[in-house]
Amino acid sequence: GDSVTQMEGPVTLSEEAFLTINCTYTATGYPSLFWYVQYPGEGLQLLLKATKADDKGSNKGFEATYRKETTSFHLEKGSVQVSDSAVYFCAADRGSTLGRLYFGRGTQLTVWP
Amino acid sequence: ETGVTQTPRHLVMGMTNKKSLKCEQHLGHNAMYWYKQSAKKPLELMFVYNFKEQTENNSVPSRFSPECPNSSHLFLHLHTLQPEDSALYLCASSQELVGGGSSYEQYFGPGTRLTVT
Repeated sequence: GDSVTQMEGPVTLSEEAFLTINCTYTATGYPSLFWYVQYPGEGLQLLLKATKADDKGSNKGFEATYRKETTSFHLEKGSVQVSDSAVYFCAADRGSTLGRLYFGRGTQLTVWP
Repeated sequence: ETGVTQTPRHLVMGMTNKKSLKCEQHLGHNAMYWYKQSAKKPLELMFVYNFKEQTENNSVPSRFSPECPNSSHLFLHLHTLQPEDSALYLCASSQELVGGGSSYEQYFGPGTRLTVT
């Protein structure tokens, strides 16, 4: 069945370090792909998305490219900040009438000054 | 401000109590969702509503009873819960669910932190 797998955390980085959080998906169709972020005590917020192969989603210095050949949507940021500390969720949908989003387990990121 | 509000933000209830969680969205969406987020477990989809009609019940125990009186409001009625039901309950909304390859970007509320004692 459809699913999303993302690297397990926690990930701990120093400020200005490079960030990669891996995400791969399995789907029978052509899903749209998303990264959501959850700050402490809050709900999930959409960070970026891509709706077709080779699309690049970007926001707040974060980027992810929809790679159909490797079924991946890895999240990257060139220089993280303390304020980026949060839990990051990769998700995929199929555009079906069920409206189901398949979420990864989440990756906790902690950035130290 | 995400456009999706949830009340209360925190709730403590005994196993014999009856309580309700409320969600309201101000985004003009027609699909709404309940999720359960427990520690160390993946986000679990519970219910989906599209134009006030329930389209998915993800094998949720009957002690959780959803209600969607209109496209802007969603409730989760709780009764005789168990301690393992303690979790963060998230509401989300999106554009109406139709086929054709649209992406279903969901907008989340801040959640209700539920503790069952």
